Amino acid sequence: DQQVKQNSPSLSVQEGRISILNCDYTNSMFDYFLWYKKYPAEGPTFLISISSIKDKNEDGRFTVFLNKSAKHLSLHIVPSQPGDSAVYFCAASELNTGNQFYFGTGTSLTVIP
Amino acid sequence: DAGVIQSPRHEVTEMGQEVTLRCKPISGHNSLFWYRQTMMRGLELLIYFNNNVPIDDSGMPEDRFSAKMPNASFSTLKIQPSEPRDSAVYFCASNPGQTYQPQHFGDGTRLSIL
Repeated sequence: DQQVKQNSPSLSVQEGRISILNCDYTNSMFDYFLWYKKYPAEGPTFLISISSIKDKNEDGRFTVFLNKSAKHLSLHIVPSQPGDSAVYFCAASELNTGNQFYFGTGTSLTVIP
Repeated sequence: DAGVIQSPRHEVTEMGQEVTLRCKPISGHNSLFWYRQTMMRGLELLIYFNNNVPIDDSGMPEDRFSAKMPNASFSTLKIQPSEPRDSAVYFCASNPGQTYQPQHFGDGTRLSIL
């Protein structure tokens, strides 16, 4: 069963506006979360992470928010640019499983010029 | 720095044939992961190695799948015999092996079984 879920397969946003990508998880033991970005015919590349001791982490235009009580995280991209058009995967890990990550099914973001 | 290198990039073969996918992790990385990407399940972990030793292979779908890591710089994922439902993109990733370290992915092998 999917422990990490991305319920929106796709999202379209106008250039300059905010993109919000959502991710839910079921395992309350997860304590480290990541977002990856994937372009066609390429492998996923790491974008941003957050540990469970924080509720927000920011890197330039990208901010990840974590709501542990709701088992929910989101990625905000402000402002969105056409080059942000890609598939975004969220992933989660727990200390007890060491190095293993659980990935969602991905959300395809299209930023319209 | 060279990233994770996978070969071949594309593989088309007939059902029943043996398929071997190859991966060279980033030098110095102690953990290596094999994933399969499908629409339904996203990135699905098949197996991962730590210091060349398989740690968790519970994601390997069937006995037709096997993976080896004979040394720190090379790993293979083999499917024998292959079936059409094995068609997917297979990714290899590596990381330093410490907890809370992002994984670095190769560009994948697109496998088509006819």
